[in-house]
Amino acid sequence: RKEVEQDPGPFNVPEGATVAFNCTYSNSASQSFFWYRQDCRKEPKLLMSVYSSGNEDGRFTAQLNRASQYISLLIRDSKLSDSATYLCVVNLPGDYKLSFGAGTTVTVRA
Amino acid sequence: DAMVIQNPRYQVTQFGKPVTLSCSQTLNHNVMYWYQQKSSQAPKLLFHYYDKDFNNEADTPDNFQSRRPNTSFCFLDIRSPGLGDAAMYLCATSSKDRGFQPQHFGDGTRLSIL
Repeated sequence: RKEVEQDPGPFNVPEGATVAFNCTYSNSASQSFFWYRQDCRKEPKLLMSVYSSGNEDGRFTAQLNRASQYISLLIRDSKLSDSATYLCVVNLPGDYKLSFGAGTTVTVRA
Repeated sequence: DAMVIQNPRYQVTQFGKPVTLSCSQTLNHNVMYWYQQKSSQAPKLLFHYYDKDFNNEADTPDNFQSRRPNTSFCFLDIRSPGLGDAAMYLCATSSKDRGFQPQHFGDGTRLSIL
């Protein structure tokens, strides 16, 4: 079983729509959670960390469900520029290695 | 200004011909990582350096080697590239002072094998 699993999508949504997707992780000891964004043929960039109580950053909302071992990302009022692959990333306590999911592709159309 | 710089952005080499990819950082981070990423797949960690200590992942082929001559530079050497080694190679750094998060990635080197 993969450490981090994501629905690859693609999620095709019109501008202004809301899109949400999840990621599951296998190691219950995981402590740190992140969403990275990766544009086509570019490097991953940190979008946001995911905190236990859930957190927002503008139009982006991240949630963590430890009991079911998943995290989610919701994008409100989608923009064309939100088109990208979103990588779910998980980290164990004190570990300097990250476990990456394969990514969920979102395409926002005009 | 770019803080993790990878050279070259694109590299074409012949099957079996050794190739070296480079990475430099201006962040003074302790840890430097090399990842391999193929299309529609997660970045796969090949190895990392914690300061001068080299840590190889168990499933990294022997064909892949790395050098870190100083804090700022790290190299990925592929001794005899095969067609299956064509991929994007990503260098990243992180700092112990920041709890190793987040990792800062370079732009990547896209390697093609002829």
